[in-house]
Amino acid sequence: AQTVTQSQPEMSVQEAETVTLSCTYDTSESDYYLFWYKQPPSRQMILVIRQEAYKQQNATENRFSVNFQKAAKSFSLKISDSQLGDAAMYFCAYRSNSNYQLIWGAGTKLIIKP
Amino acid sequence: DSGVTQTPKHLITATGQRVTLRCSPRSGDLSVYWYQQSLDQGLQFLIQYYNGEERAKGNILERFSAQQFPDLHSELNLSSLELGDSALYFCASSVGGTPKSYEQYFGPGTRLTVT
Repeated sequence: AQTVTQSQPEMSVQEAETVTLSCTYDTSESDYYLFWYKQPPSRQMILVIRQEAYKQQNATENRFSVNFQKAAKSFSLKISDSQLGDAAMYFCAYRSNSNYQLIWGAGTKLIIKP
Repeated sequence: DSGVTQTPKHLITATGQRVTLRCSPRSGDLSVYWYQQSLDQGLQFLIQYYNGEERAKGNILERFSAQQFPDLHSELNLSSLELGDSALYFCASSVGGTPKSYEQYFGPGTRLTVT
């Protein structure tokens, strides 16, 4: 069975600095998607970034980028120029191409210090 | 705003009762997914419907059931409620019914409190 692990329950970063959130996963499949979702205090689940496993190039969305290491089964999220609005729970999620369900990590709480 | 709507936002009920949560997917989306987010179990996939038919089942209890109607809205029915059913229930939608279809967009959730 696939699993997703986020080993950092909480991270803090100074405003305008860069922070990296870690995620590892376990799967025997070769074709899958990985996602980072953000959940602010409003509890809304917001898609931040997506990575297809077959793509070698790391995905980037404005200040958000990933470091996808397929062999190591690692998928970290880098947030550059952190802003107060980035404060939220961040969840790493996995979905194979033979299954519909998202499998979630436990989440990392990101605190932004002004 | 993801375009996915869920009602009600909050629900407080007693043990043993039955409730219905409602979800309307984004315009054009045929797939609806239900997830449960609880403090002790994190986020868990419950069930997926595509164009009215059940497509995939996750960790959904027998006391829970769902359906998707011809207008594509979906309802999640929770019966014989227990204290442990207190959670945030999310609905998500995506365009198609295949695993390769686009990412899932989440509604604001329904907060269920069982007392």
